[in-house]
Amino acid sequence: GAGVSQSPSNKVTEKGKDVELRCDPISGHTALYWYRQSLGQGLEFLIYFQGNSAPDKSGLPSDRFSAERTGGSVSTLTIQRTQQEDSAVYLCASSRDRNTEAFFGQGTRLTVV
Amino acid sequence: AQRVTQPEKLLSVFKGAPVELKCNYSYSGSPELFWYVQYSRQRLQLLLRHISRESIKGFTADLNKGETSFHLKKPFAQEEDSAMYYCALTSYGQNFVFGPGTRLSVLP
Repeated sequence: GAGVSQSPSNKVTEKGKDVELRCDPISGHTALYWYRQSLGQGLEFLIYFQGNSAPDKSGLPSDRFSAERTGGSVSTLTIQRTQQEDSAVYLCASSRDRNTEAFFGQGTRLTVV
Repeated sequence: AQRVTQPEKLLSVFKGAPVELKCNYSYSGSPELFWYVQYSRQRLQLLLRHISRESIKGFTADLNKGETSFHLKKPFAQEEDSAMYYCALTSYGQNFVFGPGTRLSVLP
């Protein structure tokens, strides 16, 4: 596609439910990143993929968070048993290779009520 | 560990005034430095990167390895420059580390 695409753009969920966020990176981009942006905060790193493997999962805030990437393309970020503090904008980015420009998606705004 | 700091959360300047957004980093190797910008209701996008040594929208940034800084400068701010600016760092095989961001407000 022309850019990084994320779906859904908005998600409202009840506390305790599981959610899946999807990221379609730019075709051919090997690196994929997930970040979280809370209101008034900067970008919090969650996880980084190189191909299908995740060399850096250090940012995942708890074991309720997991992510996978298949076929070196689409990635899903799953949050189990959502909590109100999970409410944020979840951003995905991809880059052609390590250390090259990262292109961002428009984000998924998650609201846990 | 890699770290990026941006000491100003908010910076307000008048139109036509010079602007400098500060960025300092800590990293022991040879990092790549970037500035990203997020305009209102738009996605985050690259503004410039240090290896390109280019000026984008009148902005420049010089990497100072001695001071571990990568400050963003523009001699004459415009109202359309109002946005959130993030300094970012990466290195070989690592993820991008972003600073907390500085909100630039250019007043008429």
